[in-house]
Amino acid sequence: GQNIDQPTEMTATEGAIVQINCTYQTSGFNGLFWYQQHAGEAPTFLSYNVLDGLEEKGRFSSFLSRSKGYSYLLLKELQMKDSASYLCAVINSNYQLIWGAGTKLIIKP
Amino acid sequence: DAMVIQNPRYQVTQFGKPVTLSCSQTLNHNVMYWYQQKSSQAPKLLFHYYDKDFNNEADTPDNFQSRRPNTSFCFLDIRSPGLGDAAMYLCATSRDPSTPSYEQYFGPGTRLTVT
Repeated sequence: GQNIDQPTEMTATEGAIVQINCTYQTSGFNGLFWYQQHAGEAPTFLSYNVLDGLEEKGRFSSFLSRSKGYSYLLLKELQMKDSASYLCAVINSNYQLIWGAGTKLIIKP
Repeated sequence: DAMVIQNPRYQVTQFGKPVTLSCSQTLNHNVMYWYQQKSSQAPKLLFHYYDKDFNNEADTPDNFQSRRPNTSFCFLDIRSPGLGDAAMYLCATSRDPSTPSYEQYFGPGTRLTVT
């Protein structure tokens, strides 16, 4: 089968740094996405990785290791508005998008 | 602004009463998707259209149907909603998934309540 594993929930403090991990087992790999989803809203695109390494975009960075089937999303200088679910999704060899269940991130003052 | 629009944002229907959700896009993407998402779960792909080619996921119940009359519009029909069909329904669009850095653009979703 194909699956994406992420922690169910994480808590962090405003102003701090948090790393959300994602491991995947899919039939082939054509890229990995991170999406942010606020409660009751649609997912919005954060990042895309297809090659190994770190992609930085402002306060958010995403890392990929294809050999380990592993990615992480790093959020710096956390703000209260970053409280949301973060979904990891992988494109497999059939160009299907396989979704994780998401990590609910709670930011405390 | 180019976007994906879903109507209505909130829909209440009665058990067994057919309901239709709509989605339109101004992105001119050739692929359109319908997802069902329940609380704290991953979005579940119901079906997608690649241009006019309809692709049904194997585990999508027969109760769910879809229509895409043209590039811009796509509809989700639930023929006889059950209580278990209460969920957020997300429409998304994309370019051909084999193109570099393709991403799915989501509409705001329709929250369906079944009474």
